[in-house]
Amino acid sequence: NAGVTQTPKFQVLKTGQSMTLQCAQDMNHNSMYWYRQDPGMGLRLIYYSASEGTTDKGEVPNGYNVSRLNKREFSLRLESAAPSQTSVYFCASRDLSREQYFGPGTRLTVT
Amino acid sequence: KQEVTQIPAALSVPEGENLVLNCSFTDSAIYNLQWFRQDPGKGLTSLLLIQSSQREQTSGRLNASLDKSSGRSTLYIAASQPGDSATYLCAVRGGSGGSNYKLTFGKGTLLTVNP
Repeated sequence: NAGVTQTPKFQVLKTGQSMTLQCAQDMNHNSMYWYRQDPGMGLRLIYYSASEGTTDKGEVPNGYNVSRLNKREFSLRLESAAPSQTSVYFCASRDLSREQYFGPGTRLTVT
Repeated sequence: KQEVTQIPAALSVPEGENLVLNCSFTDSAIYNLQWFRQDPGKGLTSLLLIQSSQREQTSGRLNASLDKSSGRSTLYIAASQPGDSATYLCAVRGGSGGSNYKLTFGKGTLLTVNP
């Protein structure tokens, strides 16, 4: 049972490049989330998926898209990366008790 | 809009001390509250989850309380150890007009336990 896994762990992009962050959970959770964490700003919700087939915007969705590929996988895509998207990105999933579990994070730098 | 505040922002204590971390939230209509630990460069690890109907939860040396009406939670750490050094985050789910699916986080308390 690996919990929540994320790939890649680190990534450096140039402004304008695109990439997809991958997230998978093996706990059979319905809900999945993408957050970003920035110094002084705390954790902010980008997008979430309450269940397979649905996605909704969080606090800071601009510049991002998501896909809930199936119950296990929830990906985050940056179509045209900007320096303001330099951050640490966390994926999370939630169980029936409503406890939330986080992945190890992806550290993204956009130059 | 739900807002979560954690005080203090940083705390340094000698090993063996009992300590209290504070969390307050502006909207008391929450579903639950969760305490997390984050080590440098790592993800978040869930410590305790308190449902809105509960007053406290305990796990080992950790005890979390919830006073929903006053919008406050405390995390009590007994007999602190250097291994407890980390950032502790409080997060609440819900609030008037909010969603059951969203967590609102505080900015955390950075705890250092000195040997």
